[in-house]
Amino acid sequence: EADIYQTPRYLVIGTGKKITLECSQTMGHDKMYWYQQDPGMELHLIHYSYGVNSTEKGDLSSESTVSRIRTEHFPLTLESARPSHTSQYLCASSEEGDEGGTEAFFGQGTRLTVV
Amino acid sequence: AQSVSQHNHHVILSEAASLELGCNYSYGGTVNLFWYVQYPGQHLQLLLKYFSGDPLVKGIKGFEAEFIKSKFSFNLRKPSVQWSDTAEYFCAVLSYNTDKLIFGTGTRLQVFP
Repeated sequence: EADIYQTPRYLVIGTGKKITLECSQTMGHDKMYWYQQDPGMELHLIHYSYGVNSTEKGDLSSESTVSRIRTEHFPLTLESARPSHTSQYLCASSEEGDEGGTEAFFGQGTRLTVV
Repeated sequence: AQSVSQHNHHVILSEAASLELGCNYSYGGTVNLFWYVQYPGQHLQLLLKYFSGDPLVKGIKGFEAEFIKSKFSFNLRKPSVQWSDTAEYFCAVLSYNTDKLIFGTGTRLQVFP
């Protein structure tokens, strides 16, 4: 059972507000990811991290920012939310498996609506 | 650009029909391959994975997938689907060159009793 948690599960917020989506994992994984997923659509990688103090932009440009001060915590921040940010945000972490490959575990997601 | 392609966007089947969902990727070098499933209202769950060895891998719930390196493909199969298989299926590739986990566009599977 994967231990990766996202809060809040649902968030409705007004335009211009600053928001932070939380993601925590208790598995000690070095690699963490943020994906954005619109309903019924593909997952787009927006941020990833190899470990503490490491953050990289993903393939999809995003106005959000991330930080990785602690291994277990990878929050995503939007300084000024806009309706175009309405989406589902999925956090994941990964580890090197016993078979030598890398397996990712996902949180339940945060569904963000900006009105 | 590196990408993961899923050819079937929406598949509708009757129970007991056979299923094959296509997945192709454009990465070179060593890759890890995955199929994830997302049931309505639930989070992504790993169905199966390929790291190395036998290219035919078996996952949960009777699913299997075959890695064909020469075709850059990792197709998902199930001989007999059930209504409970209704979900969104995502193929994902981790390239050791880029160290990023990239997903395909997903396939929506609907199974009718």
